Amino acid sequence: GAVVSQHPSWVICKSGTSVKIECRSLDFQATTMFWYRQFPKQSLMLMATSNEGSKATYEQGVEKDKFLINHASLTLSTLTVTSAHPEDSSFYICSARAGTSKVFGPGTRLTVL
Amino acid sequence: AQSVTQLGSHVSVSEGALVLLRCNYSSSVPPYLFWYVQYPNQGLQLLLKYTSAATLVKGINGFEAEFKKSETSFHLTKPSAHMSDAAEYFCAVSVGTGFQKLVFGTGTRLLVSP
Repeated sequence: GAVVSQHPSWVICKSGTSVKIECRSLDFQATTMFWYRQFPKQSLMLMATSNEGSKATYEQGVEKDKFLINHASLTLSTLTVTSAHPEDSSFYICSARAGTSKVFGPGTRLTVL
Repeated sequence: AQSVTQLGSHVSVSEGALVLLRCNYSSSVPPYLFWYVQYPNQGLQLLLKYTSAATLVKGINGFEAEFKKSETSFHLTKPSAHMSDAAEYFCAVSVGTGFQKLVFGTGTRLLVSP
């Protein structure tokens, strides 16, 4: 079946630094990928929709200059958290559309010290 | 706007007992509905989905859900719980066309005791 991977699976960084998270569709092409954020014991919140070859579409309240999304190929989307702060610590999950289903990646846990 | 409500943040059952996780939806158009399971520190795995075909949908791991339009519900059930079913379960509704966006419920943690 369709598989989505994320790298890294966890990352710890200092406040003020930038962190890049990769999302890859391993055995299918994904023109559209989605980035979610999940705070502890809460549900997933859609941050943005990543479109291959064009600008991402951000949900209301999500700072596009802070969460940079690049979807340069049909199998790779990246999320860069710029100037990370402790409040950005969260579980970031990407997903890609495979047919009529969404396939989710395993998530990346970001901890900002 | 489409939304889902999951009743009960925690559900506890004994191994072998019936599992019932509740989900009610709100949608102005015929909804596409999903149930996902999340194990600790992992992403989401699709259990089953309703896309306007049969109202009783069977998924993986023995789970099934029934779409009831009159009750605006899509409850998840399993006849006999197993210890490995302990996880977080999310109900979701697709917003817009082409399954572009999913709106998730707040999740229900299923606890299974021996």
